[in-house]
Amino acid sequence: DQQVKQNSPSLSVQEGRISILNCDYTNSMFDYFLWYKKYPAEGPTFLISISSIKDKNEDGRFTVFLNKSAKHLSLHIVPSQPGDSAVYFCAASAYPYSGGGADGLTFGKGTHLIIQP
Amino acid sequence: DTAVSQTPKYLVTQMGNDKSIKCEQNLGHDTMYWYKQDSKKFLKIMFSYNNKELIINETVPNRFSPKSPDKAHLNLHINSLELGDSAVYFCASSFGHLPNYGYTFGSGTRLTVV
Repeated sequence: DQQVKQNSPSLSVQEGRISILNCDYTNSMFDYFLWYKKYPAEGPTFLISISSIKDKNEDGRFTVFLNKSAKHLSLHIVPSQPGDSAVYFCAASAYPYSGGGADGLTFGKGTHLIIQP
Repeated sequence: DTAVSQTPKYLVTQMGNDKSIKCEQNLGHDTMYWYKQDSKKFLKIMFSYNNKELIINETVPNRFSPKSPDKAHLNLHINSLELGDSAVYFCASSFGHLPNYGYTFGSGTRLTVV
């Protein structure tokens, strides 16, 4: 039962263009979402997050959009750079504002972003 | 100066053996986690520890036991290893239960059971 889905295993984008990575979720209790970036042989590193009270969060070249009614979020990277080539994981959490519990994060399978020169 | 460090990075062992993976964080976080990345690339939580107390335990076989001597360490001990235990195991840490600042992950331990 995949509660967080990243349906594109890989994505190839030309350097300088916009990269758009998509993520869908099924659990309506999720209210906090994060994106992680992972290079080979390294652990995932936190990139950007968004809470359900917002529909957009921007940090430099990275912007995350949340559409709660569609249970969909996306990560935009613009302009894309060679160093952005990595696997990107979408993750969701159900407890930040629930006052307790620790269910950890639920991750998608990841999307391998390849930036072509 | 590694924030979350795991050892060993690679571990190859025979079925039936008992092994441990160590994890240490120097971030002052009070919650630590173990995640397993399976063959389908899913990252799934196994355990978390907060203030030396186990607060979650997903459907993980009791052959797996987390041990936390202090809040900077969360080791994973595995008894009677099976072929299906082969995976990459990631340690992570955070402040409390809240993911607002993201979790900090270690670089992973690739366990291969033969």
